[in-house]
Amino acid sequence: QVQLVESGGGVVQPGRSLRLSCAASGFTFSTYPMHWVRQAPGKGLEWVAVMSFDGTIKNYADSVRGRFTISRDNSKNRLYLQMNSLRPEDTAVYYCARARVLYYLDYWGQGTLVTVSS
Amino acid sequence: QTVVTQEPSLTVSPGGTVTLTCASSTGTVTSDYYPNWFQQKPGQAPRSLIYTTSNKHSWTPARFSGSLLGGKAALTLSRVQPEDEAEYFCLLYYGDTYVFGTGTKVTVL
Repeated sequence: QVQLVESGGGVVQPGRSLRLSCAASGFTFSTYPMHWVRQAPGKGLEWVAVMSFDGTIKNYADSVRGRFTISRDNSKNRLYLQMNSLRPEDTAVYYCARARVLYYLDYWGQGTLVTVSS
Repeated sequence: QTVVTQEPSLTVSPGGTVTLTCASSTGTVTSDYYPNWFQQKPGQAPRSLIYTTSNKHSWTPARFSGSLLGGKAALTLSRVQPEDEAEYFCLLYYGDTYVFGTGTKVTVL
């Protein structure tokens, strides 16, 4: 069955960096686009970034563009989110989600919590 | 800054019907926005319900349906069950970015 498992979250000081990982299994990872979505405590969902199955398309929310980088390693069945220059407002649970095509999401991971605090 | 607006909260009786809507600050929502709908219960990850306006996933209960209504995307819950109490979010596609709606908390009472 399809499984997505996020890791790499934790507590980090403002201005520092963190890399999240999403391990995929149960499907042919290299043929699916993938998204990152986040949710601040007690708030709604916020779309963060998307990458096409082959990495040729990458798009970002305005709030993270220039600071976050989405990438993938299809040989390892992994999606990544490199987060630089972190701010307190980046504090959230970060989810990875699979897409059948770029705009059609189906499976979600359970999320990993990132807390940006001094 | 594009804003996607949903009703903050709705209450429905068990067995009843309720319709949630998803409006874009840019204007009329069409099928070109490929509306998705998601359900989220407290402490859980979101679960996908509807994609590209009205298509259901294999796990989506038949009582959930998606449509376009009055210039908005809509999610209708029919024959509502107690387990449908949750928050519901829409997602719209804007070419190279995506925006989630503000969310609707559905209470079954």
